[in-house]
Amino acid sequence: DIQMTQSPPTLSASVGDRVTITCRASRSISRWLAWYQQKPGKAPKVLIYKASILESGVPSRFSGSGSGTEFTLTISSVQPDDFATYHCQCYDSKSYTFGQGTKLEIK
Amino acid sequence: QVQLQESGPGLVKPSQTLSLTCTVSGGSISSGDYYWTWIRQHPGEGLEWIGFIYYSGSTFYNSSLQSRITMSLDTSKNHFSLTLTSVTAADTAVYFCARAFRTGYAFDIWGQGTMVTVSS
Repeated sequence: DIQMTQSPPTLSASVGDRVTITCRASRSISRWLAWYQQKPGKAPKVLIYKASILESGVPSRFSGSGSGTEFTLTISSVQPDDFATYHCQCYDSKSYTFGQGTKLEIK
Repeated sequence: QVQLQESGPGLVKPSQTLSLTCTVSGGSISSGDYYWTWIRQHPGEGLEWIGFIYYSGSTFYNSSLQSRITMSLDTSKNHFSLTLTSVTAADTAVYFCARAFRTGYAFDIWGQGTMVTVSS
């Protein structure tokens, strides 16, 4: 099974900061990588799929990049609504794996 | 729009069987475009994929859970189900059902989640 290593576990930022979260796969997953935002008590919401495609309705300050084994999620200018937990998720051979999550906190 | 809603008992005794159902509204589970999926989240932790079922009835499970899992679907009721046997406290979690679109392999629609506690 593929292992996903997400970092950092926690990220402190101020409104307006640019932040980046990284996910590394234990072997190549091409571009089968998605990113989610989750707020307490809620289901995750997809932000990005196929590594860099922005889900409809998601603000353009969110962007994704990468292929193979290394991927990043960038928020170009953090807004108050963005403080949440972010998860990466990969797909490979009829199996899905999530990263451990990154909590974006207010500095 | 399509909505998913989990249902089932919130409390299950150790060694018993957990059964959950996800009812799909606003769309058909007979569509070949999606994988109907179960995901769980232990308290304060990350997400764990449990498995999915395709409209044909084909199933694919997390290898760490596959000996205890069965998934099924009922097209007449437009719902799909999860059965997890021999539960322990380690199965205490919020259980989500979700829809994965096959062209992007991401989960675009989720249920709200249901908390299941395993305790005597």
